[in-house]
Amino acid sequence: GAGVSQSPRYKVAKRGQDVALRCDPISGHVSLFWYQQALGQGPEFLTYFQNEAQLDKSGLPSDRFFAERPEGSVSTLKIQRTQQEDSAVYLCASSLVEGIHEQYFGPGTRLTVT
Amino acid sequence: QKEVEQDPGPLSVPEGAIVSLNCTYSNSAFQYFMWYRQYSRKGPELLMYTYSSGNKEDGRFTAQVDKSSKYISLFIRDSQPSDSATYLCAMSDEAGTALIFGKGTTLSVSS
Repeated sequence: GAGVSQSPRYKVAKRGQDVALRCDPISGHVSLFWYQQALGQGPEFLTYFQNEAQLDKSGLPSDRFFAERPEGSVSTLKIQRTQQEDSAVYLCASSLVEGIHEQYFGPGTRLTVT
Repeated sequence: QKEVEQDPGPLSVPEGAIVSLNCTYSNSAFQYFMWYRQYSRKGPELLMYTYSSGNKEDGRFTAQVDKSSKYISLFIRDSQPSDSATYLCAMSDEAGTALIFGKGTTLSVSS
């Protein structure tokens, strides 16, 4: 299993609950990205890590969204007080080197907020 | 106007046809251009990666970038039913840390 893995694959949350989404990038990949994909749309950038440093979080839609990658490998995207508009597929991607290069995506976590 | 425009289709072709998928963009600073294939309920899979202008060929797939027209294309030769998926274009500039995606074009290849 050399690809990017994400868990859980599906998550149903009641409005107001907190959720945590996990990403395991390809081993040795320096860069890690989170994207949000709404139904029928292309992925939209949320945040970028180079090793453990979060270098760009300009795409996070509100302060309810928080991401971390404390040891430079596994990353967690946390959404506090979920709202219905947070329902989407959350995709994680990793890249061998820093910055924009070939990004390899995981299968995504489908979040449904009821 | 979005930075990257892509006709969502759907596009339906018979098996063996040549398929042409396109995106236009507005940011002349874009230098990195990629095509991803996404099957239903799966993550995007990288098909082609091009830096700056020109053509790139890989098997049945050819990617073209025309920076003067701000237009990129993906050609699929001898299309197969297994090519049925959504195709996403994505691009970024030199300083970017994020890929900007089109909405995706849904392709259906019938046998």
